Amino acid sequence: RKEVEQDPGPFNVPEGATVAFNCTYSNSASQSFFWYRQDCRKEPKLLMSVYSSGNEDGRFTAQLNRASQYISLLIRDSKLSDSATYLCVPGGTSYGKLTFGQGTILTVHP
Amino acid sequence: DAGITQSPRHKVTETGTPVTLRCHQTENHRYMYWYRQDPGHGLRLIHYSYGVKDTDKGEVSDGYSVSRSKTEDFLLTLESATSSQTSVYFCAISGTGEQPQHFGDGTRLSIL
Repeated sequence: RKEVEQDPGPFNVPEGATVAFNCTYSNSASQSFFWYRQDCRKEPKLLMSVYSSGNEDGRFTAQLNRASQYISLLIRDSKLSDSATYLCVPGGTSYGKLTFGQGTILTVHP
Repeated sequence: DAGITQSPRHKVTETGTPVTLRCHQTENHRYMYWYRQDPGHGLRLIHYSYGVKDTDKGEVSDGYSVSRSKTEDFLLTLESATSSQTSVYFCAISGTGEQPQHFGDGTRLSIL
């Protein structure tokens, strides 16, 4: 089983829509998770860190389900600028090494 | 934004030449990482450092070496570049093993 699995999408949604991505992880010992967004040909940027059951930052909400080993990201009131690839990354490994999947592509259209 | 500077930002070179990429940070973070990103792949870890002169291999380290002689600089060297090393290279830093990583702008390297 891969360390982390995400639906690659693409998700195509209109502005103002609510969209959710799921991410499943294999290491039940993972204590922290990070959501990054990456724009085309740019560096990944940290969107949110999750250390407990979830986190919320404005339009973005992350929910962690440890029993089922998945973490979700909910984006409300989507903006055109939300178009990007979203990467779910388990943290807390030795030396802070992270394993990145290919992420989920989101396209928000007018 | 985290104080991370990668240089050069773009480079075109020929097969067989040595290439060194530099990552400079102003955050005094202990951990530094080098990744490459290619189409169809996520970020893949090349090498990482957990302190001055403390480095180790990542997932795709063959053909690469690194050095960290001071906290702020982490150098990635391709001793004899090959076309398969054409990629986008990202440097990242982290204060502790528990904190998230922050990335530099990347270096686009083309080897002809």
